[in-house]
Amino acid sequence: EAQVTQNPRYLITVTGKKLTVTCSQNMNHEYMSWYRQDPGLGLRQIYYSMNVEVTDKGDVPEGYKVSRKEKRNFPLILESPSPNQTSLYFCASSTGTGTINQPQHFGDGTRLSIL
Amino acid sequence: LAKTTQPISMDSYEGQEVNITCSHNNIATNDYITWYQQFPSQGPRFIIQGYKTKVTNEVASLFIPADRKSSTLSLPRVSLSDTAVYYCLVGTLRVGYSTLTFGKGTMLLVSP
Repeated sequence: EAQVTQNPRYLITVTGKKLTVTCSQNMNHEYMSWYRQDPGLGLRQIYYSMNVEVTDKGDVPEGYKVSRKEKRNFPLILESPSPNQTSLYFCASSTGTGTINQPQHFGDGTRLSIL
Repeated sequence: LAKTTQPISMDSYEGQEVNITCSHNNIATNDYITWYQQFPSQGPRFIIQGYKTKVTNEVASLFIPADRKSSTLSLPRVSLSDTAVYYCLVGTLRVGYSTLTFGKGTMLLVSP
């Protein structure tokens, strides 16, 4: 089954304790992206990756890092989490770029609470 | 980046047609318009995409006027299961360049 898998689905942690949210897709997609979703603000893009070893900042990249060493994986790293990063996070992937935007496939989300 | 504006919420009844409009006044020439549906505790799911005029698939229609400064998602004969948040996404995705911007979403509540 084609899917985007995020882990963990839920996490409660404390300020300053490094954490990684993993994202994996099995569709051989070139494009992957991370979003955060907050009440009243909708979905905001954090980082995206056009392909292996190619990453770029989205609208809200501060406090986050990403890496794309393999095509299928795109982990989101919070080196020193703070309470304002408490949010619902989504990973997404799509078949690529070209001249037509391809629909994105989203994971089921990771709910992070930073105390 | 194209900024999008949608109504915060809409109400409807089963069997009615629902039209949700998204405004994107500064849409760029290369931008496409995509709509997603999101249920609680799930990620957004693709509904429909278009560039201009009208696009129809098995679940919805998308109307885009000639100036492309707005778009309307049309859901025919909604049912209770269509209760969800609907997002308009405008932008373009090319190698080395991404301007995808989601709207804040429209909460559609369908009642019996």
